[in-house]
Amino acid sequence: RKEVEQDPGPFNVPEGATVAFNCTYSNSASQSFFWYRQDCRKEPKLLMSVYSSGNEDGRFTAQLNRASQYISLLIRDSKLSDSATYLCVVNRDTGRRALTFGSGTRLQVQP
Amino acid sequence: SQTIHQWPATLVQPVGSPLSLECTVEGTSNPNLYWYRQAAGRGLQLLFYSVGIGQISSEVPQNLSASRPQDRQFILSSKKLLLSDSGFYLCACWGGDGYTFGSGTRLTVV
Repeated sequence: RKEVEQDPGPFNVPEGATVAFNCTYSNSASQSFFWYRQDCRKEPKLLMSVYSSGNEDGRFTAQLNRASQYISLLIRDSKLSDSATYLCVVNRDTGRRALTFGSGTRLQVQP
Repeated sequence: SQTIHQWPATLVQPVGSPLSLECTVEGTSNPNLYWYRQAAGRGLQLLFYSVGIGQISSEVPQNLSASRPQDRQFILSSKKLLLSDSGFYLCACWGGDGYTFGSGTRLTVV
């Protein structure tokens, strides 16, 4: 079983739609959680950290459920520029600070 | 702020040839440094990490090695490339500004 699992998609949605991505992680000792965005053939870039209480950054809302080991990302009012692959990322070892990545969910926002 | 310089951006190498990818960091000192690889359609996989000069930990058995000759320099090497070494290689740094990625090297072994 993969340590971080995501639906690969693609999710094809019209502009203005709301779309949600889910992610599960297997290691209950995981310490911190993130969503990264990766554009085609580019390096990943931090979209937002995910906090236990849930957090929002503009059109983006992230939620964490530690009991179910589940992370979500909600994007409201999708823009064409949101088209990318969204990576669920977990840090399970605060000593190494090495990140464990899901394989990503691809989003294509259509006009 | 910390920045990572990684080169080259793309590389095409024949099977059996050697490899050297270099990564340098600016704007922080004594960072943790990492090499990740992303195969086509796959997630990023941690290959090596380093917490200091000369200290290298390998995450997966493979045909590659890493070295950290200076505090802000991290090198990924191979003596003989395999076809399966093709992928997108990313250097990353954990420093004062959190986690930062280099722009990556796309390696194709032919």
